[in-house]
Amino acid sequence: DVKVTQSSRYLVKRTGEKVFLECVQDMDHENMFWYRQDPGLGLRLIYFSYDVKMKEKGDIPEGYSVSREKKERFSLILESASTNQTSMYLCASSFGSGPTYEQYFGPGTRLTVT
Amino acid sequence: AQSVTQLDSQVPVFEEAPVELRCNYSSSVSVYLFWYVQYPNQGLQLLLKYLSGSTLVESINGFEAEFNKSQTSFHLRKPSVHISDTAEYFCAVKAGGGNKLTFGTGTQLKVEL
Repeated sequence: DVKVTQSSRYLVKRTGEKVFLECVQDMDHENMFWYRQDPGLGLRLIYFSYDVKMKEKGDIPEGYSVSREKKERFSLILESASTNQTSMYLCASSFGSGPTYEQYFGPGTRLTVT
Repeated sequence: AQSVTQLDSQVPVFEEAPVELRCNYSSSVSVYLFWYVQYPNQGLQLLLKYLSGSTLVESINGFEAEFNKSQTSFHLRKPSVHISDTAEYFCAVKAGGGNKLTFGTGTQLKVEL
């Protein structure tokens, strides 16, 4: 089975802190994604990566950056956390590009910024 | 650009009753459609998908969805729900040859005894 793990289930940070969210997948997937999930808004794509050191902006990249130094690991970085970044963050991965490749999701990290 | 609309944010239903969760999409190119389910405190799991061929697709736990191109819909149905079906359901679309999934806002299905 494909496994996507996220470093923390719950995280509490203070405004202005630098925050790292880590995601690891164990199936040699090419593509990795970061979403945020908010009530009434569904999932919105922040960034995705289709190869090591490659990244593309999603729909809401402002205030976030990403890093992919190894194929299995994709990090989401909040350079200076703000209260409006309180949310559930979901990581996903898929084997290839194109519509037929399923995205597999991690359990999520619920981040609270106070 | 593609978009997905899930009009019902919450659907309460009694156990063993039928249910339909509605999903409409818009896209100027060919689409691929997905339903994902999120059980409490878990990540999303793929429930079923339409890529091509038969417009009626089924999941292993009794859900089905029908792709209707003329109505741009992909509604999810189950003839008899169980308490364990309580979860949030997300409709999603991929357009053309792209890699990007666009999600709807989700429908919370609450099955009551």
